[in-house]
Amino acid sequence: SQQGEEDPQALSIQEGENATMNCSYKTSINNLQWYRQNSGRGLVHLILIRSNEREKHSGRLRVTLDTSKKSSSLLITASRAADTASYFCAPSSATNKLIFGTGTLLAVQP
Amino acid sequence: GAGVSQSPSNKVTEKGKDVELRCDPISGHTALYWYRQSLGQGLEFLIYFQGNSAPDKSGLPSDRFSAERTGGSVSTLTIQRTQQEDSAVYLCASSFVVEETQYFGPGTRLLVL
Repeated sequence: SQQGEEDPQALSIQEGENATMNCSYKTSINNLQWYRQNSGRGLVHLILIRSNEREKHSGRLRVTLDTSKKSSSLLITASRAADTASYFCAPSSATNKLIFGTGTLLAVQP
Repeated sequence: GAGVSQSPSNKVTEKGKDVELRCDPISGHTALYWYRQSLGQGLEFLIYFQGNSAPDKSGLPSDRFSAERTGGSVSTLTIQRTQQEDSAVYLCASSFVVEETQYFGPGTRLLVL
C-alpha cells in the first residue's frame, strides 16, 4: 500500500512556534499532497509536491520530499490558533488515487 | 468559482434502505473521486472516474455500492440495502486532470440506524 503514515499522531505547541509533521510511504509515487481537516469535515488542500521536486513553499508552509527515503515533511511556521486541525499526507501514483493515513492532530495553544 | 458540492449534507436512513449521494464537481474537471471517512479512521478510497468511465473501482466495499457519472460531470454514489457499518462521511473530490490537485466537497454524513 502507498498509504501515507503521519508522525507524530498528535502535536501540541504554543502560538508562534513552528510545527513539523512527517510522512512516510512505501511505494513509488507521482506526487504527494498535504491536506488539512477541521472537525471531521472540509478537507482543504495545502500543497502538492511532485516526485521530481524536493521542496515547495506556500505562505507559512514548507514541504519537503525525499523520494530516496520515501518521506515528506510539512513545516508550519509562526503557528496560529487557527492552524489547529488534523493534517494528512496523501501519496498518489498514476491514477492520483489518494491513500490517507490517520493524520497528525495539531493543537496550537493561544 | 464554485467548488465541489455534495448533497445531501446529512442523511439518516434505516437499515435495509437504499440511498443516493450526489456530487457536482468543479466545472471542467475531468477526474472525480469518491472517498469515505468512518469515525476515527483515515480516508478510504472508493472509486475514481475519468470522464464517464471508472478505471478504478477497487475501493468499493461490496456489490451493494455502485457509482455512475454522466455527461462527464455529476456523479451519484448508490448504496443498496444499507447496513450500520455504512455510516460514515462520504467525500467527493475532483481534479482538472489526473495527477493534479484534488479539491474536496464538504461531504455527506450518512447515518444508518
